[in-house]
Amino acid sequence: KQEVTQIPAALSVPEGENLVLNCSFTDSAIYNLQWFRQDPGKGLTSLLLIQSSQREQTSGRLNASLDKSSGRSTLYIAASQPGDSATYLCAVRPDSGGGADGLTFGKGTHLIIQP
Amino acid sequence: ETGVTQTPRHLVMGMTNKKSLKCEQHLGHNAMYWYKQSAKKPLELMFVYSLEERVENNSVPSRFSPECPNSSHLFLHLHTLQPEDSALYLCASSQGTSNYEQYFGPGTRLTVT
Repeated sequence: KQEVTQIPAALSVPEGENLVLNCSFTDSAIYNLQWFRQDPGKGLTSLLLIQSSQREQTSGRLNASLDKSSGRSTLYIAASQPGDSATYLCAVRPDSGGGADGLTFGKGTHLIIQP
Repeated sequence: ETGVTQTPRHLVMGMTNKKSLKCEQHLGHNAMYWYKQSAKKPLELMFVYSLEERVENNSVPSRFSPECPNSSHLFLHLHTLQPEDSALYLCASSQGTSNYEQYFGPGTRLTVT
């Protein structure tokens, strides 16, 4: 059974710092990996999607990497801002031979950026 | 706005009530999903529909009954729920199955009393 772990569970840093969030998964048979942001009481906003054949994706100040063979992904946030404060979720889509599987999520990293 | 809407946003119901959650996607997608987010637990997949047919039921109790009348709408019918069913219920959609990005709605916060 696929398990996704996110470290750290919580992180608080001053504004302007660069930071890295970590995600690991136990089964490397995945279609893709997706990073989401969730604000309190809200739904999920997709940040980046990395296909299993890709090594990284970038969007603005965000960069996500994927090492499928070792079961790891990182989300790099450059020049952090108070508006980046949220819970960041990592999720993998299993490669089940063409079946319509949903995502398996980690518990998330609760990020606070101090002004 | 992600193009996926959910109603109601908040729901309080007793254990003997029957209610329904509604999800609508305006993205032209053909796959839809229900997820459950409980406190201190990861998001859990409940149901997957592809082209209006259920393709996965993730061992969900029968007191939860999904319905997908067309590719734009998804319902979750609730009856005789338990207090531990209180959670945030999230709907998502994707263009196809397997390798497509999922877009999530804002969720319905359900409290069972």
